[in-house]
Amino acid sequence: ETGVTQTPRHLVMGMTNKKSLKCEQHLGHNAMYWYKQSAKKPLELMFVYNFKEQTENNSVPSRFSPECPNSSHLFLHLHTLQPEDSALYLCASSQDPGAGGDTQYFGPGTRLTVL
Amino acid sequence: TQLLEQSPQFLSIQEGENLTVYCNSSSVFSSLQWYRQEPGEGPVLLVTVVTGGEVKKLKRLTFQFGDARKDSSLHITAAQPGDTGLYLCAGPLNTGGFKTIFGAGTRLFVKA
Repeated sequence: ETGVTQTPRHLVMGMTNKKSLKCEQHLGHNAMYWYKQSAKKPLELMFVYNFKEQTENNSVPSRFSPECPNSSHLFLHLHTLQPEDSALYLCASSQDPGAGGDTQYFGPGTRLTVL
Repeated sequence: TQLLEQSPQFLSIQEGENLTVYCNSSSVFSSLQWYRQEPGEGPVLLVTVVTGGEVKKLKRLTFQFGDARKDSSLHITAAQPGDTGLYLCAGPLNTGGFKTIFGAGTRLFVKA
């Protein structure tokens, strides 16, 4: 238990569906992250929020839409996804993202399959 | 472009064997981290190395940061089935901001 929870753990959706991934951190951290993990590829940073403000958007397609209503909650809204978007989506939080070597605490991930 | 390359990509060994996995870059990093990710879970931080030449030990795991801060290694002594997992190295981008880059990982399987 890392203090970061993600729901759902598994999601299967069609290309025309709209769904949302949820992440909640119970660590009192200031920053939250979305990563995409595909087989045999490095973790890809998608978005960073620091004090609820988006500070990084790593050229993510607009079919992924993040939302951070407060420092403890992070959502990823999904719409009109493609099969190549199938992956493990990991949420993480950290205390001080501007510090080198800041420890990120990851949730267990949502395994997404797009049919 | 800063990249972290990890080798080997996959390693299958018997319980009790020793192993070393590597994380290499052509760029200098202010620090490097090692995470372990078990099946069905997210990565969990094992260690952060900051000083060139630094060696840190965590029970049977020994981490070393290269003198030039461009590479790192993880050595496991007498591997156990519980060491099975994906080992990731990560480091902050030199351009600043809030980006951390990750290697693709070494997937280790320790057979009983």
